[in-house]
Amino acid sequence: GAGVSQTPSNKVTEKGKYVELRCDPISGHTALYWYRQSLGQGPEFLIYFQGTGAADDSGLPNDRFFAVRPEGSVSTLKIQRTERGDSAVYLCASSSGTSGSHQETQYFGPGTRLLVL
Amino acid sequence: AQSVSQHNHHVILSEAASLELGCNYSYGGTVNLFWYVQYPGQHLQLLLKYFSGDPLVKGIKGFEAEFIKSKFSFNLRKPSVQWSDTAEYFCAVKGENNYQLIWGAGTKLIIKP
Repeated sequence: GAGVSQTPSNKVTEKGKYVELRCDPISGHTALYWYRQSLGQGPEFLIYFQGTGAADDSGLPNDRFFAVRPEGSVSTLKIQRTERGDSAVYLCASSSGTSGSHQETQYFGPGTRLLVL
Repeated sequence: AQSVSQHNHHVILSEAASLELGCNYSYGGTVNLFWYVQYPGQHLQLLLKYFSGDPLVKGIKGFEAEFIKSKFSFNLRKPSVQWSDTAEYFCAVKGENNYQLIWGAGTKLIIKP
């Protein structure tokens, strides 16, 4: 596609439920990132994929959060036993991942706004 | 730990005024620096970036930023703002691990017509 897409755009769930958030990166981009943005703050890094593997998951807040990218394209962020504090906008970004250097631009999707009641 | 500080959370200007948004970061090594913009109802878009070379970087829509290494700063400027520049502006630094962006809290800019 032309840009990064994320679904759903909004998700309302109840405390304790399980949610999945989907990200479709720009076609051909091998690097994919998840960030979380709470109200009034800048995004915070969660996890980075290079291809199918999670190269860095150091930003995941706890073991209720998990992300996969089984075929190296679409990624799913999974949150178990949701808590009210998980309410935020979850952003996905992708970059080409081909340069092997740090000089890459990350392109962002519109985000999924998660509200945990 | 690396961090990014944006000095103003809210800025209100009239059209044609000059703009400067401050951004300071803490990291002593090689940095990549970015300004992203988020217009109302839209997603984050890259405004400009600095990787190396000329410290004065030109971006889209007449924006520019200057990297001053000695001051750990990357301030965003525009000589004459327009109503359509109303948006939230984020400064970000790429950390030493080469892919994780560290973000400031953002500055909400409102341009009065």
